[in-house]
Amino acid sequence: EDQVTQSPEALRLQEGESSSLNCSYTVSGLRGLFWYRQDPGKGPEFLFTLYSAGEEKEKERLKATLTKKESFLHITAPKPEDSATYLCAVGNQAGTALIFGKGTTLSVSS
Amino acid sequence: GAGVSQSPSNKVTEKGKDVELRCDPISGHTALYWYRQRLGQGLEFLIYFQGNSAPDKSGLPSDRFSAERTGESVSTLTIQRTQQEDSAVYLCASGKDRDGNTIYFGEGSWLTVV
Repeated sequence: EDQVTQSPEALRLQEGESSSLNCSYTVSGLRGLFWYRQDPGKGPEFLFTLYSAGEEKEKERLKATLTKKESFLHITAPKPEDSATYLCAVGNQAGTALIFGKGTTLSVSS
Repeated sequence: GAGVSQSPSNKVTEKGKDVELRCDPISGHTALYWYRQRLGQGLEFLIYFQGNSAPDKSGLPSDRFSAERTGESVSTLTIQRTQQEDSAVYLCASGKDRDGNTIYFGEGSWLTVV
């Protein structure tokens, strides 16, 4: 069964304290791994798509990496405005709907 | 418009009433998804439309839930005889095709059943 597990469920950081969020997956033929950011009361906002192991993408303080079993979202020197829930999802070979993890809620305090 | 548009943004309804939620996908996107998100919970897949193919309804929680899509445009999610456990935000997303491409979400329709 295809599934996505994100850890930790919640993460509290001080401003400037770098860390990583983990997304472990099992899927029958990976067809994309997706990261989204969701602010309270809003729909998920697209961040990155990764397609193959070894691929990396960056945007401001965020960098996403991918291996054959997991993806990491690295946050460098976070700011309070990075506080949000980060969602990971995978697409499978069968082309069914994206499978989402439960998310990691990040809180960054100044 | 530039993004996925959903309406209404908020809906309060009485238990037992029917509700319709609307989604306007990004122009040219053939894939359209509905997800449900209860307060503090993850995204729960409901239904998936891809072009003219038969929709994947495997996530619909009961026969009170149904959805339609007109061609590659607007979709309507209908919930009949609403129950309090239907209270949630209903998120619509669209994408270019089924082959692992990125999907983009609307802001959601917040449904409260009282």
